[in-house]
Amino acid sequence: EVQLVESGGGLVQPGRSLRLSCAASGFTFEDYAMHWVRQAPGKGLEWVSGISWNSGSIGYADSVKGRFTISRDNAKNSLYLQMNSLRAEDTALYYCAKARVGEFDYWGQGTLVTVSS
Amino acid sequence: QSALTQPASVSGSPGQSITISCTGSSSDVGGYNYVSWYQQHPGKAPKLMIYDVSNRPSGVSNRFSGSKSGNTASLTISGLQAEDEADYYCSSYTSFNTLGVFGGGTKLTVL
Repeated sequence: EVQLVESGGGLVQPGRSLRLSCAASGFTFEDYAMHWVRQAPGKGLEWVSGISWNSGSIGYADSVKGRFTISRDNAKNSLYLQMNSLRAEDTALYYCAKARVGEFDYWGQGTLVTVSS
Repeated sequence: QSALTQPASVSGSPGQSITISCTGSSSDVGGYNYVSWYQQHPGKAPKLMIYDVSNRPSGVSNRFSGSKSGNTASLTISGLQAEDEADYYCSSYTSFNTLGVFGGGTKLTVL
């Protein structure tokens, strides 16, 4: 059974940093691209960042480019999102999602990030 | 990376059919056959309902179907049931460029 478990969310002040983690199990992690998708309270889904199976291809939404860094450790079956210079508008539930060629087939339950002073 | 365009809301009565549209551009929806649809119930994670424009994952009801014409994709739900009431999102993503985009979401109300 595929499981994706996010962690690392919490309350953080504007301008500070936070690192999210996603622990994957139930599939061969190193074979698949992985992504972060967020959802602000009461809003829709927003794609944040994605990383290919071997970290050779990485993409970011314009809204986080230059502030967020995605990475993965295939030996630890883990995905990460380093978030710097956080803003109030980054407040959201952050989902980790497994990707196939053209879709996100499994999602975690999310970790909540709240940016507030 | 402009968001795909979906209607904010649609509604239908039990047993009826509804269609949700998703309009993008030749750079996303129109450029690849990699449109997917997700169902999200309140407080739950999104669930994949349709991938590659018209394919259903195992376990998804055949009442859900997808199609595409040009830069617009569509999700049709036939024989509406109360449990179909949820938010629906389209997405265009391809592993070739590791970029993704979602539609703004459509709230389906079953009357």
